[in-house]
Amino acid sequence: GDSVTQMEGPVTLSEEAFLTINCTYTATGYPSLFWYVQYPGEGLQLLLKATKADDKGSNKGFEATYRKETTSFHLEKGSVQVSDSAVYFCALSQGGKLIFGQGTELSVKP
Amino acid sequence: NAGVTQTPKFQVLKTGQSMTLQCAQDMNHNSMYWYRQDPGMGLRLIYYSASEGTTDKGEVPNGYNVSRLNKREFSLRLESAAPSQTSVYFCASSIRQDRVDEQFFGPGTRLTVL
Repeated sequence: GDSVTQMEGPVTLSEEAFLTINCTYTATGYPSLFWYVQYPGEGLQLLLKATKADDKGSNKGFEATYRKETTSFHLEKGSVQVSDSAVYFCALSQGGKLIFGQGTELSVKP
Repeated sequence: NAGVTQTPKFQVLKTGQSMTLQCAQDMNHNSMYWYRQDPGMGLRLIYYSASEGTTDKGEVPNGYNVSRLNKREFSLRLESAAPSQTSVYFCASSIRQDRVDEQFFGPGTRLTVL
């Protein structure tokens, strides 16, 4: 069945470092792809999305490009801040449902 | 607007006890969802309700029941809690089931079953 795999966490970075969180997927057809963020003690929030191959989603300095050839949707940010500390989930939609990866915890130190 | 609200925030149960997790949304959404979140496993769909009056099983429905009480409210019931149901439970809603990219999540209920 369809699935999403993310890089293992936790990831610890210094402020202003470059961030990459890898995400690959297995799916039939052409799903939409998403990144969600969960701040401590809160529910998930949609961070960005891409609905077709080569689309780039972006929000709050984060970017991810839908790569059909490598079935990937890696999350990047050029300069992270302490306030970016959170758990990040990659997800795909299939049949009206969301399928999530296991989540990657990011900790940014000042 | 409160968005999606869940009660309680925390709960401790003994094995075999029952309880109901409550969820309500004030966004006039048609579809509502229950997920569980376990370490290293992301979120998994337990049940969903595409519209008022309908409910369907998700990926991990065993041990749970749901009720779509009205358009606003969607409850999750554990009839006989087991330690394997220790988890964080999230409720979510969207305007329609095909608008999964616009799911709004509640803050979660942390449940421990001893």
